[in-house]
Order: sequence, then C-alpha cells, then structure tokens
Amino acid sequence: GAVVSQHPSWVICKSGTSVKIECRSLDFQATTMFWYRQFPKQSLMLMATSNEGSKATYEQGVEKDKFLINHASLTLSTLTVTSAHPEDSSFYICSASTPQTQYFGPGTRLTVL
Amino acid sequence: QKEVEQNSGPLSVPEGAIASLNCTYSDRGSQSFFWYRQYSGKSPELIMFIYSNGDKEDGRFTAQLNKASQYVSLLIRDSQPSDSATYLCAPGGAGGTSYGKLTFGQGTILTVHP
Repeated sequence: GAVVSQHPSWVICKSGTSVKIECRSLDFQATTMFWYRQFPKQSLMLMATSNEGSKATYEQGVEKDKFLINHASLTLSTLTVTSAHPEDSSFYICSASTPQTQYFGPGTRLTVL
Repeated sequence: QKEVEQNSGPLSVPEGAIASLNCTYSDRGSQSFFWYRQYSGKSPELIMFIYSNGDKEDGRFTAQLNKASQYVSLLIRDSQPSDSATYLCAPGGAGGTSYGKLTFGQGTILTVHP
C-alpha cells in the first residue's frame, strides 16, 4: 500500500503555544488529504478536507481559525493547532487519498499541559 | 440513527474460528465501503474495500456487501491472536463535496484468544 508519514509522532507543549503537524505522502501524489482527530476509546472524527492549492474544507464544529491547514504541494499538508489548550490533547491522524481509498499516516499524539 | 453503526463488542472468538463483523449505514448513496483495522495506540490500516454487491475475498478476509439492505460485513477466517484489534467500517462519500470522504463507525473490538 501507499506510504504516508507524519511528523512529529508525539509532542508535548504548554497551553497557549502553537503546534505544527506535517503529513507527507511518500510514494504518490495526493491532491486530497484529510485530517482526523481521535479521543481515547472513540472513533475517528473528520476535522477537515485539505485540497492542494485551495482552502481546506472544515467539518461542522471545527474552528478553522484554530486549526490551520495548508496543502502547499501534492505531497505535503500541514495542520497547525494554534493557541493549544489541554482540551486539544488528542491523537491527530492524517490520510492521503488515492483514486481508490485513503491511506493513513501513523498519527501524532498531542499533549497540551 | 447514526450514519454508520457497528456492534462495539467486544467480540471474542477462539483462535482458528471465524470472526464476523457487521456494519449498517444510512447513506444510500454510498458507493464504496472500506474496512480498516486499528491496533491500540496506532492509526488505522486498510484491510480491504468493496464496491459491488456480493462477496470479495482477500486471503483470510471476506467482505460482503448488500446495498439494498445497507449492510456490509467482514469475515475473518482462521482468526489469529494478532487479529485482535478494533475494526472500523467506513462507507465512502456518494459524490460531490462528499467524494473521497469516509464516515467511520465506532468500531468493533475483536479479541482472539488462544
């Protein structure tokens, strides 16, 4: 299957700081990437759809000014959690889309103190 | 009614048995259906996908789709302890702005005991 990487794999930050997470498709080009969030013992919740060269489409209830998404190239999308707070602590997972399906990155575990 | 419903389990089967995982969905426009496996603390990994009514087999896994009943299932033959994980059902978007989007069920926890 296709390979998607995420960096960092985990991060601990202080409340009020911003954190950037990178998602890369390593062996294919992805015009569309998705960002998910998963809280413990819950399923994946789609946050936004990221399209190369255009603005991201956010799901209802997701603050676009807090979760900044940039899809600068066909292989890279970034998610920046701005002014992070403890309630933003979660497992953030990106996926990159091929014509057939989505392949997931390994995820980034964010802990906000 | 939730968009995607799965029995959360846990489903416990003995090693070597067949595990049967079920999923119903509400969007009749869904065209593609995916099964992902997620180990604790890890991200989901694709097991298989199915587009057409009927069965699709891949190794020990068989996906079954019935669009009229809005039902998709996953059978795991000769279950192994390494199959113990959460299995996520995800119908694909019907089209337009939903194209490519997946809606995940809450997942079924499967435990295969030796």
